[in-house]
Amino acid sequence: GENVEQHPSTLSVQEGDSAVIKCTYSDSASNYFPWYKQELGKGPQLIIDIRSNVGEKKDQRIAVTLNKTAKHFSLHITETQPEDSAVYFCAASTGDSSYKLIFGSGTRLLVRP
Amino acid sequence: DAGVIQSPRHEVTEMGQEVTLRCKPISGHNSLFWYRQTMMRGLELLIYFNNNVPIDDSGMPEDRFSAKMPNASFSTLKIQPSEPRDSAVYFCASSFRGGNQPQHFGDGTRLSIL
Repeated sequence: GENVEQHPSTLSVQEGDSAVIKCTYSDSASNYFPWYKQELGKGPQLIIDIRSNVGEKKDQRIAVTLNKTAKHFSLHITETQPEDSAVYFCAASTGDSSYKLIFGSGTRLLVRP
Repeated sequence: DAGVIQSPRHEVTEMGQEVTLRCKPISGHNSLFWYRQTMMRGLELLIYFNNNVPIDDSGMPEDRFSAKMPNASFSTLKIQPSEPRDSAVYFCASSFRGGNQPQHFGDGTRLSIL
């Protein structure tokens, strides 16, 4: 079945450094790729998304890149701040049921002050 | 703007009891999703409604689980009878349209079955 692999599972960076989280998907028909941030005791919050007709998208300190040929996409956070510490999930839509998102296993990001 | 509202936030009950989780989607959204999050299995889609109609319930684990959406502003997820392995965080999400659209999550119900 469809699968999304996410790496690394944990990431610790110094405040001000960049953080990169990578995901690989299996369904070549996937065409929607959101990223979520989940803080303790909260629900996943959509932070950025990208569609298959775009290679890169930026929103202030956050950017996402997509390589459809290689079936992988990445989240880039620049100038990290302690409040960026959270668990981040990538997801990919399934080709036959576009409403269905397959989620990665999550990356716990710690930004050290 | 009000986001997706779920209640209760926490539920602790004994096995065998009926559990009802509630969700109010974002006004104007016509798609609603119920998810379950566990350490072992991550985030899993349980059921998807479009315009109040269940479209995909293939993720509902057993017949003990049922979900309804009587109107555009309310949905319930019911477990009867509950079992300890049902312990998880249950999330409701909504979107403006079903496919390839941002899904907005509530803050979940943390369910513990003793």
